[in-house]
Amino acid sequence: GQNIDQPTEMTATEGAIVQINCTYQTSGFNGLFWYQQHAGEAPTFLSYNVLDGLEEKGRFSSFLSRSKGYSYLLLKELQMKDSASYLCAVSGGSYIPTFGRGTSLIVHP
Amino acid sequence: DAGITQSPRHKVTETGTPVTLRCHQTENHRYMYWYRQDPGHGLRLIHYSYGVKDTDKGEVSDGYSVSRSKTEDFLLTLESATSSQTSVYFCAISDSEETQYFGPGTRLLVL
Repeated sequence: GQNIDQPTEMTATEGAIVQINCTYQTSGFNGLFWYQQHAGEAPTFLSYNVLDGLEEKGRFSSFLSRSKGYSYLLLKELQMKDSASYLCAVSGGSYIPTFGRGTSLIVHP
Repeated sequence: DAGITQSPRHKVTETGTPVTLRCHQTENHRYMYWYRQDPGHGLRLIHYSYGVKDTDKGEVSDGYSVSRSKTEDFLLTLESATSSQTSVYFCAISDSEETQYFGPGTRLLVL
């Protein structure tokens, strides 16, 4: 089976840096996804990590440690528009992603 | 944005009635998925398809059936809607294991 854990809610201040953690226990591992979902909208793809290490895309970076079953999404220079849910998903043996429950990020001025 | 649409976008129905949701893509992607999203549960897979007439069950398939007679269309049917099936339904498509593109969602209320 698959078990994916991430915090339910986080708050941060505009301009700051926030790290959203995701831990997983899965039968098989192919890759780990991060999606962003604004309220009332569809999830949109942010990143896909297959190998260990940090991948940077502008203000967003994603880190993976396969040996620890751990990933984080790092958001820099937070903006109000970054207020959203962030979904961690793991692709296991079947290549079909299993999603965590999501982390609701609230950015305050 | 990937060409993926869902219809209807909103629906209210009564318990016991059949309901069909449609997902349509213009990307010619092989894989199509139906998820439901509920507070406290995140996205859960209902059914998926890996080609025309090739489908399989996901985590929460009870009470749902699917059909895919053409590459571009994936239908989700609630055979006899129940209040527990009130949810937001998302369709997704992919052509590889590296990403999925989601449709805009269908909000279903079963009274």
